Amino acid sequence: GENVEQHPSTLSVQEGDSAVIKCTYSDSASNYFPWYKQELGKRPQLIIDIRSNVGEKKDQRIAVTLNKTAKHFSLHITETQPEDSAVYFCAARFYGQNFVFGPGTRLSVLP
Amino acid sequence: GAGVSQSPSNKVTEKGKDVELRCDPISGHTALYWYRQSLGQGLEFLIYFQGNSAPDKSGLPSDRFSAERTGGSVSTLTIQRTQQEDSAVYLCASSLPSGGAYEQYFGPGTRLTVT
Repeated sequence: GENVEQHPSTLSVQEGDSAVIKCTYSDSASNYFPWYKQELGKRPQLIIDIRSNVGEKKDQRIAVTLNKTAKHFSLHITETQPEDSAVYFCAARFYGQNFVFGPGTRLSVLP
Repeated sequence: GAGVSQSPSNKVTEKGKDVELRCDPISGHTALYWYRQSLGQGLEFLIYFQGNSAPDKSGLPSDRFSAERTGGSVSTLTIQRTQQEDSAVYLCASSLPSGGAYEQYFGPGTRLTVT
């Protein structure tokens, strides 16, 4: 079955710096890769996603890149702000199957 | 429109009791997922439904856990003879047909505490 690894488990950056979180997946048939942000005590919220026919997608300060050959995808947050502090989860999904989530990255943006 | 709702929001139960958790997905969403999240941990897949059928039950931790979905809408997750290790937040999510690459929308969760 699919397995998703995520690194780092914790990440601290200074406000204004960039943050990068990386995930790898095992099933080459996975075709959809969402990223979720979860603030303390809240539900996960989708922040960006990418499909397997696309290599990069951007939405303001966040971007996701996908390397299908290497089976890894990354989340990039630029100009980080304190409100970006949260736990971020990546996930992978095979067509018609379940989502498999990474273990999460706790991002702290220091003012 | 209305999002995914779950009830109860909090449930405290004694060890050995049965509990039922409810999920109301977004109208028209045929795929429904249950996850468990222990404090400070990631999302553990439990089960997912496509319509009323459950193609993947592989995540259910034991035979004390079961889930059903009727009318392609509301789902209930039942935990029998609860144990302290069942304490967690149970999250439900729904999406458009699972054959497509559609995003999941999560409910607020049910926080279960087994004493």
